[in-house]
Amino acid sequence: AQTVTQSQPEMSVQEAETVTLSCTYDTSESDYYLFWYKQPPSRQMILVIRQEAYKQQNATENRFSVNFQKAAKSFSLKISDSQLGDAAMYFCAYEGGKLIFGQGTELSVKP
Amino acid sequence: KAGVTQTPRYLIKTRGQQVTLSCSPISGHRSVSWYQQTPGQGLQFLFEYFSETQRNKGNFPGRFSGRQFSNSRSEMNVSTLELGDSALYLCASSLAGVGGYTFGSGTRLTVV
Repeated sequence: AQTVTQSQPEMSVQEAETVTLSCTYDTSESDYYLFWYKQPPSRQMILVIRQEAYKQQNATENRFSVNFQKAAKSFSLKISDSQLGDAAMYFCAYEGGKLIFGQGTELSVKP
Repeated sequence: KAGVTQTPRYLIKTRGQQVTLSCSPISGHRSVSWYQQTPGQGLQFLFEYFSETQRNKGNFPGRFSGRQFSNSRSEMNVSTLELGDSALYLCASSLAGVGGYTFGSGTRLTVV
């Protein structure tokens, strides 16, 4: 069965600095999608970034980028130039017929 | 383009009652998935519907059921509510059930 693990329950970053959130997963599939979702206090789950496993190039969306290491089954999220609005719970998710989520990392941003 | 709409936003029910939650997907999306979010168990997959057919089901008791209509709107029903069913229920829609999901704001269910 596929699993997703986020080993950092909480992270903190200074405004304008860079932070990296970690995620590892386990699967025997070769083709799949990985996602990072953001859930602010409003509860709305917002898609931050998506990575297709067959693409070697790491996905980037403005200040958000991933480091996708397929062999190591690692999928970390880097947030550059952190902003106060980035404060939220971040979930890593694997898609295998359904979304399998990690436990989440709560990110706080200090002004 | 309208997003995923879930109704109601909040619900309080008594143990033993049943409840129906509604989800309207993004126009053109044929896949609707349901997730339960609790502090203890995190986000867990309930089921997915695609073109009115249940395509995938999570590990939940039979008290949890759902359906999808021809306009892709989906409903989720929980019968004989238990205190442990208190949770945020999230609906997600997708064009084809792969490659990306858009979530609604959720329904917060409290069972007392």
